[in-house]
Amino acid sequence: DSGVTQTPKHLITATGQRVTLRCSPRSGDLSVYWYQQSLDQGLQFLIQYYNGEERAKGNILERFSAQQFPDLHSELNLSSLELGDSALYFCASSDISGDTDTQYFGPGTRLTVL
Amino acid sequence: QQQVKQSPQSLIVQKGGISIINCAYENTAFDYFPWYQQFPGKGPALLIAIRPDVSEKKEGRFTISFNKSAKQFSLHIMDSQPGDSATYFCAASKSRAAGNKLTFGGGTRVLVKP
Repeated sequence: DSGVTQTPKHLITATGQRVTLRCSPRSGDLSVYWYQQSLDQGLQFLIQYYNGEERAKGNILERFSAQQFPDLHSELNLSSLELGDSALYFCASSDISGDTDTQYFGPGTRLTVL
Repeated sequence: QQQVKQSPQSLIVQKGGISIINCAYENTAFDYFPWYQQFPGKGPALLIAIRPDVSEKKEGRFTISFNKSAKQFSLHIMDSQPGDSATYFCAASKSRAAGNKLTFGGGTRVLVKP
């Protein structure tokens, strides 16, 4: 158990809909990352937040957005969903103020868009 | 642009054998190179990591070899066990820089036959 929690575990929805994925980082970790894992694109970085502020952005679609709240949990919002958005979405957290760069991954949310 | 290339895509090894997975990177600014292990239905878990100031790091049956001049690094799994059957990902990042996102290789599915 990495200490990172994600909900829900599975999500099935229809094209055009909007969903919210939730992540709680490890206790004490200020940095949260979101990654997408699909069969054709592999594991890809989407976005990073550090202590509530956006820190880095990857290949995140404009239909996707994220935020980190004062209690450090993060949400990834996916809207106008398309079939191609079906994937595993992972959240990771790290303590980048320390000596380690280790990112700890949550169990993921499997999104299926029908 | 695939900045981290991983090979092979899959490999089968007999119990007790050696599994070798190779990765090559392009960005010379990378200075943190972790390997992650992922079991089906689980999130990636850090296995071992190396920085470019050392050429080799060993933890138990797992060894990373790093060749800075060739921009290559590899994972060796000694005395492979059926429980090692998983997908392995190499990754790279710029540690503690603005947004230390992980750039992943494509993954290697390892099957250890008893």
